[in-house]
Amino acid sequence: DSGVTQTPKHLITATGQRVTLRCSPRSGDLSVYWYQQSLDQGLQFLIQYYNGEERAKGNILERFSAQQFPDLHSELNLSSLELGDSALYFCASSSKLAGGRETQYFGPGTRLLVL
Amino acid sequence: GQSLEQPSEVTAVEGAIVQINCTYQTSGFYGLSWYQQHDGGAPTFLSYNGLDGLEETGRFSSFLSRSDSYGYLLLQELQMKDSASYFCAVRDQRDSNYQLIWGAGTKLIIKP
Repeated sequence: DSGVTQTPKHLITATGQRVTLRCSPRSGDLSVYWYQQSLDQGLQFLIQYYNGEERAKGNILERFSAQQFPDLHSELNLSSLELGDSALYFCASSSKLAGGRETQYFGPGTRLLVL
Repeated sequence: GQSLEQPSEVTAVEGAIVQINCTYQTSGFYGLSWYQQHDGGAPTFLSYNGLDGLEETGRFSSFLSRSDSYGYLLLQELQMKDSASYFCAVRDQRDSNYQLIWGAGTKLIIKP
């Protein structure tokens, strides 16, 4: 158990809909990362927050948005869903912001299926 | 651009030794990490190399050569439970932010 929690575990929805994925980082971790992993693919970095502020953006679509709240939990919002958005969405947390050794702790993921 | 290359699949026999290579091309370099991911599971941290040389953690070792932009993960005394995907990731800096740049992953298949 990494200490990172994600809800829901599974989500089935229809094209055009909007969903919200939730992540609670490990106690004390200020950084939250969101990743997308399509079937048999690598991890695609979406976005990073640190202590409530957006710090880095990866390949995140304009239909997707995220935020980190004062209690440090984070939400990833996916709207106007398309079939290709079906994937595993991971949240990870770490205690570091700067360079050097950093371990990211991953949550169990949310499996999204868009029909 | 930034890229990491690692083999898509490696096959080995139980009890043997296997090496998974990773070459990287990034604008900056602040360390190479390795993560393991079992099917349907979450990635878990295995090792980190910030300086050249070998880091050993039990049956797993990781090596880095910064001059060659190259690293590898060495798994010894392979067990069936080591069947998983292995990702290398380089810590790079973009603007004032540090990011992990991920390889596409190597699927390790272990045969009895």
